[in-house]
Amino acid sequence: GDSVTQMEGPVTLSEEACLTINCTYTATGYPSLFWYVQYPGEGLQLLLKATKADDKGSNKGFEATYRKETTSFHLEKGSVQVSDSAVYFCALDTGGFKTIFGAGTRLFVKA
Amino acid sequence: EPEVTQTPSHQVTQMGQEVILRCVPISNHLYFYWYRQILGQKVEFLVSFYNNEISEKSEIFDDQFSVERPDGSNFTLKIRSTKLEDSAMYFCASSEALLAEHYEQYFGPGTRLTVT
Repeated sequence: GDSVTQMEGPVTLSEEACLTINCTYTATGYPSLFWYVQYPGEGLQLLLKATKADDKGSNKGFEATYRKETTSFHLEKGSVQVSDSAVYFCALDTGGFKTIFGAGTRLFVKA
Repeated sequence: EPEVTQTPSHQVTQMGQEVILRCVPISNHLYFYWYRQILGQKVEFLVSFYNNEISEKSEIFDDQFSVERPDGSNFTLKIRSTKLEDSAMYFCASSEALLAEHYEQYFGPGTRLTVT
């Protein structure tokens, strides 16, 4: 079945460090790919998305490129801030009626 | 900005009791979803709902669960006889369309269900 695998956390970085959170997927068909962010005590917010191969999603300095050949959608940011501390979920959707999430990666950013 | 709302924010119930979690999706959205997140674990799909019927459900969504859109605005999840393992954060979501370019699920803030 369809699935998402993302790197285990927690990831601890100093402010202004570079971030990469790896995400790979398995899917039949052509999924849309998403990154969601969950701040402490809050719900899920869509961070960015890509709907077809080679698309790049971007938002708030975060980027991810839909790589069909490697079935990957890695999340990157060039310079993290303390306010980026959260749990990040990679997710996919193949048909629109459900979203499949990865296990989540917790990011801690130290001042 | 329109948002999905959920009530209550926290529900405590005894094992075996029925609970109803309520959601108000964004008004022009047509597709509705429930997910759950057991503390510290991944977000799991439960069920999707369109045109007054279930579109898809996971193996978690057994006979103890049901969903309903009782009026034009609310979308509810009922658990008939709660078990300890139902303790989780339950998220409602809605989306306007399924076309890839326009597809986005908007999530509510969640209801934390604690079964004692």
